[in-house]
Amino acid sequence: QQQVKQSPQSLIVQKGGISIINCAYENTAFDYFPWYQQFPGKGPALLIAIRPDVSEKKEGRFTISFNKSAKQFSLHIMDSQPGDSATYFCAARGHGNNRKLIWGLGTSLAVNP
Amino acid sequence: GAGVSQSPSNKVTEKGKDVELRCDPISGHTALYWYRQSLGQGLEFLIYFQGNSAPDKSGLPSDRFSAERTGGSVSTLTIQRTQQEDSAVYLCASSLWGGSDTQYFGPGTRLTVL
Repeated sequence: QQQVKQSPQSLIVQKGGISIINCAYENTAFDYFPWYQQFPGKGPALLIAIRPDVSEKKEGRFTISFNKSAKQFSLHIMDSQPGDSATYFCAARGHGNNRKLIWGLGTSLAVNP
Repeated sequence: GAGVSQSPSNKVTEKGKDVELRCDPISGHTALYWYRQSLGQGLEFLIYFQGNSAPDKSGLPSDRFSAERTGGSVSTLTIQRTQQEDSAVYLCASSLWGGSDTQYFGPGTRLTVL
């Protein structure tokens, strides 16, 4: 059972374009939604995260949009650069005793020069 | 400061052999996680340690997999009687505590079972 569904599986964007990756979740108890970035041969690293009390969070060229009623959140990368080429994972975490991150399957992003 | 380190970085073994993978978390981090990442796939949760609490082993795929964490620091993931389907990158992550927002990942150990 995939509790966090991520799409697309892969994405090709031209330099300067906008990259958009979407995630949908099922469990309304989730209260923390991070995005991790992974370069080849490296472990994932936290990129940006949001909590459900806000609808948008922006850090530089990276923005998370959050739609609580639709149970969806998305990552927007503005002015995409070749250095952004990586795999992106969304995740969600519950509260209380079970605070493991539930991961999406990842999106491989390639930004063409 | 030093991040999460894992050793070895690469391990090639023969089917049926046992392997041990090591993780050194960030000093002071009480929570430690092991994940498995198959080629081009997402992160598969394996096991979670939080301080002195009993570990959450719910993600271990079979009884050939086990892990321990000694002294609340270093962790070892052991795979007995390795199979070809165990080939993957094994990632370790740590966080300040189990409810902390950020997990810090090591570079992983690439395991190849021939």
